[in-house]
Amino acid sequence: GQQVMQIPQYQHVQEGEDFTTYCNSSTTLSNIQWYKQRPGGHPVFLIQLVKSGEVKKQKRLTFQFGEAKKNSSLHITATQTTDVGTYFCAGRGGSTLGRLYFGRGTQLTVWP
Amino acid sequence: DSGVTQTPKHLITATGQRVTLRCSPRSGDLSVYWYQQSLDQGLQFLIQYYNGEERAKGNILERFSAQQFPDLHSELNLSSLELGDSALYFCASSPRTSPGAQETQYFGPGTRLLVL
Repeated sequence: GQQVMQIPQYQHVQEGEDFTTYCNSSTTLSNIQWYKQRPGGHPVFLIQLVKSGEVKKQKRLTFQFGEAKKNSSLHITATQTTDVGTYFCAGRGGSTLGRLYFGRGTQLTVWP
Repeated sequence: DSGVTQTPKHLITATGQRVTLRCSPRSGDLSVYWYQQSLDQGLQFLIQYYNGEERAKGNILERFSAQQFPDLHSELNLSSLELGDSALYFCASSPRTSPGAQETQYFGPGTRLLVL
């Protein structure tokens, strides 16, 4: 069945360092979404990528969708303590209307 | 505030008991999704309803059931509770304006269930 793998599971960085989390799917995705969950909070939608090779930026965050639409990455430049949280990717398969397959998430800790 | 509400926020109960979690989607959203989040399993999709009908099933146990009512709110029923059912249960909603629409999901604040 459809699976979305996400690595690393944990990442600890010093404030100012960069951070990247990666997602890989066993099958081609129609789109991929990224969510952030702050400690004690709920997942909040960040962005959606639809096109092959798409790159989107939100301030210090850069999101990429692979050419084969099977992988994606989120890169944060110069992390800040406000970036702390768990970042989830969620992929939607071509034939699954509505259902998202979530990765396990990457828990980011930023040391001041 | 996502506009999705969930009640109760916290629930403490004993093994073998039955509980009902409630979710009200954002105004106008037709789809409701239920997720279970535990420390060792991440975010697990349980079930999806669209306009009152079940649309997709994930890793939902037979002891669990859900429904979506005509006013679009949804309930998740958990019965014969076990210690391992302790988790955060999230509800999410999306508009689903058309089949295959690539819509985002808006998550509620969650219900934290503790089974003792």
